[in-house]
Amino acid sequence: GQQVMQIPQYQHVQEGEDFTTYCNSSTTLSNIQWYKQRPGGHPVFLIQLVKSGEVKKQKRLTFQFGEAKKNSSLHITATQTTDVGTYFCTTRGGGADGLTFGKGTHLIIQP
Amino acid sequence: DAGVIQSPRHEVTEMGQEVTLRCKPISGHDYLFWYRQTMMRGLELLIYFNNNVPIDDSGMPEDRFSAKMPNASFSTLKIQPSEPRDSAVYFCASSSVAEKLFFGSGTQLSVL
Repeated sequence: GQQVMQIPQYQHVQEGEDFTTYCNSSTTLSNIQWYKQRPGGHPVFLIQLVKSGEVKKQKRLTFQFGEAKKNSSLHITATQTTDVGTYFCTTRGGGADGLTFGKGTHLIIQP
Repeated sequence: DAGVIQSPRHEVTEMGQEVTLRCKPISGHDYLFWYRQTMMRGLELLIYFNNNVPIDDSGMPEDRFSAKMPNASFSTLKIQPSEPRDSAVYFCASSSVAEKLFFGSGTQLSVL
């Protein structure tokens, strides 16, 4: 199945700073899905991107899908303590093609 | 909609014992997934079912692990015999084809 690599694994920021996590693939992806897992919780779907160069926003979160559909990013503006958690990217082909989550990016916010 | 329901929420057992984790997917979803999460390995896909049929179990660590889905509303993941290295959070998730995954709250397994 299709695999995506995510960086960084950990990111410490001061509250109010911006945060970005990146997903990269060696192959063209049909889509990218982003999930967030709060500490002690379960992954929750955030968004899916399918179009080349697509940009979507959810309040302070901006999601991008690269022009070549091989990479994606999640950017959070002015982080808040509620943003703490692990952010995962994955890709969904037919059936469960892909759907590997890996270690994600752990966002740690210092007040 | 109650979402994906997993039981138990916590399980503490001794090495060598049999452990059974249970999952009720969202009604109407035809895909069911079992994941294991640890700090070292992240969120790993163990097995998934489509219309109650196991499609890919290549992520199942070894023969001690088995999963069944006897009907569209119930699945089990069994570990026999359990070992300390099986300690992890086990998630069940369900979805419709090519759609987002809905995760259950997970089962925190501790094998002593």
